[in-house]
Amino acid sequence: ETGVTQSPTHLIKTRGQQVTLRCSSQSGHNTVSWYQQALGQGPQFIFQYYREEENGRGNFPPRFSGLQFPNYSSELNVNALELDDSALYLCASSLGQLNTEAFFGQGTRLTVV
Amino acid sequence: QQQVKQSPQSLIVQKGGISIINCAYENTAFDYFPWYQQFPGKGPALLIAIRPDVSEKKEGRFTISFNKSAKQFSLHIMDSQPGDSATYFCAAKSGSARQLTFGSGTQLTVLP
Repeated sequence: ETGVTQSPTHLIKTRGQQVTLRCSSQSGHNTVSWYQQALGQGPQFIFQYYREEENGRGNFPPRFSGLQFPNYSSELNVNALELDDSALYLCASSLGQLNTEAFFGQGTRLTVV
Repeated sequence: QQQVKQSPQSLIVQKGGISIINCAYENTAFDYFPWYQQFPGKGPALLIAIRPDVSEKKEGRFTISFNKSAKQFSLHIMDSQPGDSATYFCAAKSGSARQLTFGSGTQLTVLP
């Protein structure tokens, strides 16, 4: 059984650019949630994908978008990057949209300069 | 209503001591309370979780105490070890919610 894997591990982008982060969910898990973790803070929920559709969204603007593929892997896209988007982006997978047990990947560290 | 308040922000404990981290919540719809452990450069890992129908849950050296009336829960790490040095997050979730709501984290340092 494979765990949650994210790529890339680190990324540096310039303000105004666009970025795509990727996540492969744990084997058998059909739900993927994305979180943003600013330095020294707890993770903040961005959105969740279930059966290839966005299934809940936190307080993030529309320039944060995502996709889920038939194999349950997922992408997080952020357009028009701002300096405050610098954070650790975490993907969590679970079995079912309301399942409580979420397993996190190691995250992607995004730095916007 | 969605906040989870965590304290202390940082904690230093001697090896063999007891580490205690506290969390408080407002939303009475929360019905699942996990604790996550996060090492630098890693994602959070589920440590232990409790539901409000029990007041305490123990797994090895880790114990969650839950006080429903006070809307508080805490993590106790017995016989703390240097390898326990990490950031600990409490979280909460209601049955109808998609997301976990996290506390702000506690950086634990266990001195050898």
